Amino acid sequence: DGGITQSPKYLFRKEGQNVTLSCEQNLNHDAMYWYRQDPGQGLRLIYYSQIVNDFQKGDIAEGYSVSREKKESFPLTVTSAQKNPTAFYLCASSMTSGSRETHSDTQYFGPGTRLTVL
Amino acid sequence: QKEVEQNSGPLSVPEGAIASLNCTYSDRGSQSFFWYRQYSGKSPELIMFIYSNGDKEDGRFTAQLNKASQYVSLLIRDSQPSDSATYLCAGFEAGNTPLVFGKGTRLSVIA
Repeated sequence: DGGITQSPKYLFRKEGQNVTLSCEQNLNHDAMYWYRQDPGQGLRLIYYSQIVNDFQKGDIAEGYSVSREKKESFPLTVTSAQKNPTAFYLCASSMTSGSRETHSDTQYFGPGTRLTVL
Repeated sequence: QKEVEQNSGPLSVPEGAIASLNCTYSDRGSQSFFWYRQYSGKSPELIMFIYSNGDKEDGRFTAQLNKASQYVSLLIRDSQPSDSATYLCAGFEAGNTPLVFGKGTRLSVIA
């Protein structure tokens, strides 16, 4: 059963704690992405990775960190430096990234993790 | 900064009508566009993509792209209450970068 999985579905964090959100895909996709979505808002790109052991900052990377040690996995750590982390976090993957006119760039999303800071 | 703009809505249409969702983009180099549907509390799911000028049809959905006007739209025929969701438009920035998403249009289909 191919797809993208995210865990946990719901996560509660105390202020000052770091937490790590999991994202795994078995689609053999090269590129993976993390987005943040706030209520009534669009998607904002946090980090993305086009190949293993390489990643780039998105529009709102401050207070977040990622790693890409395996093709299948792209975990996101929300650090205590992120001042307002309560949001819906979405992971996505695509076969490649940014190649115009190739539809291998279609992004597919995981089910999301809803993070709440207590 | 490359942008994709959408009217946030809500757009309300009666059941059975045609819903028209619109999107404009700032990057003339953008070539491909994607429409996603997102139900409340769920993740986005791909409806269709379009990369050529003109229309592309898939069931009740038609995507339209006009590169000269930098405009892309999604038409939903015979709208159903189950179509009520937020619709996200996304396109490419120029170069080797990820998709740029609009903020989405909330559609409400009234039974």
